[in-house]
Amino acid sequence: GNSVTQMEGPVTLSEEAFLTINCTYTATGYPSLFWYVQYPGEGLQLLLKATKADDKGSNKGFEATYRKETTSFHLEKGSVQVSDSAVYFCALSKGSTLGRLYFGRGTQLTVWP
Amino acid sequence: DGGITQSPKYLFRKEGQNVTLSCEQNLNHDAMYWYRQDPGQGLRLIYYSQIVNDFQKGDIAEGYSVSREKKESFPLTVTSAQKNPTAFYLCASSEDRNNEQFFGPGTRLTVL
Repeated sequence: GNSVTQMEGPVTLSEEAFLTINCTYTATGYPSLFWYVQYPGEGLQLLLKATKADDKGSNKGFEATYRKETTSFHLEKGSVQVSDSAVYFCALSKGSTLGRLYFGRGTQLTVWP
Repeated sequence: DGGITQSPKYLFRKEGQNVTLSCEQNLNHDAMYWYRQDPGQGLRLIYYSQIVNDFQKGDIAEGYSVSREKKESFPLTVTSAQKNPTAFYLCASSEDRNNEQFFGPGTRLTVL
């Protein structure tokens, strides 16, 4: 079946540190991949996406590359800020499943000044 | 501004009562979704709908019901049959089955 596994948190970093949050997936065919971010008490916001192998999604300094050979979509940022503190969710979507998203469990990121 | 609204933001319910959570979107999206979020468990799909007057069960539909009488509205009823309803509920919509989903701000339901 379709599933997403992402690294467990919490992740705690100092400001300006490098961030990696690992995400791997299981799916047949060619899913679309997403990273969503959730700030405390709010809904989810789309951070970035990639729809085919080797695509790189990027937004607000965050990047993730769709690697079909390793079935991965790791999230990276070169220099985190306190304002990046949030929960990050990796997700996949396949058109054959009526557009539903399959989410990972989320990774809590806390950035200290 | 286009978006998704959910109301109320906080909801308290006594055991044995049904309660309905509102979700409205003015994005003209065909598809709408309901998720439940519990600490440390990510999001789980309750129900989804691709078109008006049609919806499908997700992974945890027991104890919930929905309707889709209008394109812009997808209310969720949490019935007394739901054993552990205290959670954060998120509604989402997408333009079609291949597009990313846009989320509302959520409703936090607490059963007293």
